[in-house]
Amino acid sequence: SAVISQKPSRDICQRGTSLTIQCQVDSQVTMMFWYRQQPGQSLTLIATANQGSEATYESGFVIDKFPISRPNLTFSTLTVSNMSPEDSSIYLCSVPDRAFVETQYFGPGTRLLVL
Amino acid sequence: LAKTTQPISMDSYEGQEVNITCSHNNIATNDYITWYQQFPSQGPRFIIQGYKTKVTNEVASLFIPADRKSSTLSLPRVSLSDTAVYYCLVKRNQGGKLIFGQGTELSVKP
Repeated sequence: SAVISQKPSRDICQRGTSLTIQCQVDSQVTMMFWYRQQPGQSLTLIATANQGSEATYESGFVIDKFPISRPNLTFSTLTVSNMSPEDSSIYLCSVPDRAFVETQYFGPGTRLLVL
Repeated sequence: LAKTTQPISMDSYEGQEVNITCSHNNIATNDYITWYQQFPSQGPRFIIQGYKTKVTNEVASLFIPADRKSSTLSLPRVSLSDTAVYYCLVKRNQGGKLIFGQGTELSVKP
């Protein structure tokens, strides 16, 4: 298994500002994933972050709005840029199991409220 | 990826067996069926995965008929702590990413 931590755990931000969310894993992993979970909704995949290459974004998500860094095999950041109230969500990172990539471990999430 | 359909919500009582059925009519030969559990204010947690017939672990059982167009997650003797949202996913090894459906919100009452 993998242990994942995220910072901050929650934040309240003003519209127009940006917030960077950190994701730290206790082991080296090739792929990391970022998800968004809007209030009362299921999880939506934002992007896949691979170390040493540009992140791959899902339909509806763009790099200018959600820039991602992946400086090494245990760490990644997601920035929510120029925030609006519609960005209020829980943001989660996840990593696949080393042996069974179909299985993923999730971080505790970052709860963001934009006023 | 095959779309999944599952009940939006279910109610149960402590000690009962709960069965949550998921439909995935367009499942492909290479797809696996995976279930995740999410408690409030936590990230999802892997429960069980299967390809065909029956899989059992310490948490649940997963029943998959021969045509694989549906699957049933079985939780034996639920307790209040099993109150959570349960997600059924059909997973092909497409770079490891997971596509979540709506999920079933299970409420266990005393």
